[in-house]
Amino acid sequence: DTGVSQDPRHKITKRGQNVTFRCDPISEHNRLYWYRQTLGQGPEFLTYFQNEAQLEKSRLLSDRFSAERPKGSFSTLEIQRTEQGDSAMYLCASSFTGAVHNEQFFGPGTRLTVL
Amino acid sequence: GNSVTQMEGPVTLSEEAFLTINCTYTATGYPSLFWYVQYPGEGLQLLLKATKADDKGSNKGFEATYRKETTSFHLEKGSVQVSDSAVYFCALPPGGTSYGKLTFGQGTILTVHP
Repeated sequence: DTGVSQDPRHKITKRGQNVTFRCDPISEHNRLYWYRQTLGQGPEFLTYFQNEAQLEKSRLLSDRFSAERPKGSFSTLEIQRTEQGDSAMYLCASSFTGAVHNEQFFGPGTRLTVL
Repeated sequence: GNSVTQMEGPVTLSEEAFLTINCTYTATGYPSLFWYVQYPGEGLQLLLKATKADDKGSNKGFEATYRKETTSFHLEKGSVQVSDSAVYFCALPPGGTSYGKLTFGQGTILTVHP
């Protein structure tokens, strides 16, 4: 199965530490999205890339958050100086703009707990 | 911007009962509409979609009809199974498009008892 993969699946960190998550999209997909999901809520958009270009960032993405997709394949999401409010599930999705109605395929997510 | 409202509160049903989960939306233009499902411990999966008014999306016994006049996309299933227990999300892309970042409803937890 060559679906979207995310690593790690779980991360526990102390407040103030930096964390980095990785997402590997489906290989032919040129768009990659990051979402954040807190308990009892639907996913909220953070940012997305088309190939290596970051095309949009949500206001939710404070300056402590940075995302990259250096070669238009995998992506990383880094959170600096983590806060307890950053605790959430971070979801990655990918899609192909050549599809007629481009379904987004989601990874299993990385659950972050900030102590 | 676009927004989605789903019925609040978890839904608990017995096996073979009829299911309706309400979803209404506000949007510019006529975007595609999606239902995603999240099974315990797994990522979101697209359940069904509809791309224009009066379209009916269907999959795994679930159906939803794109109602432009009521701006609704309610999810229905005639006979639920225990394996349908999951969280269901209604979603739509920006503007009148069929692609791009998705706006999700808050999700509806479905629990089906034997």
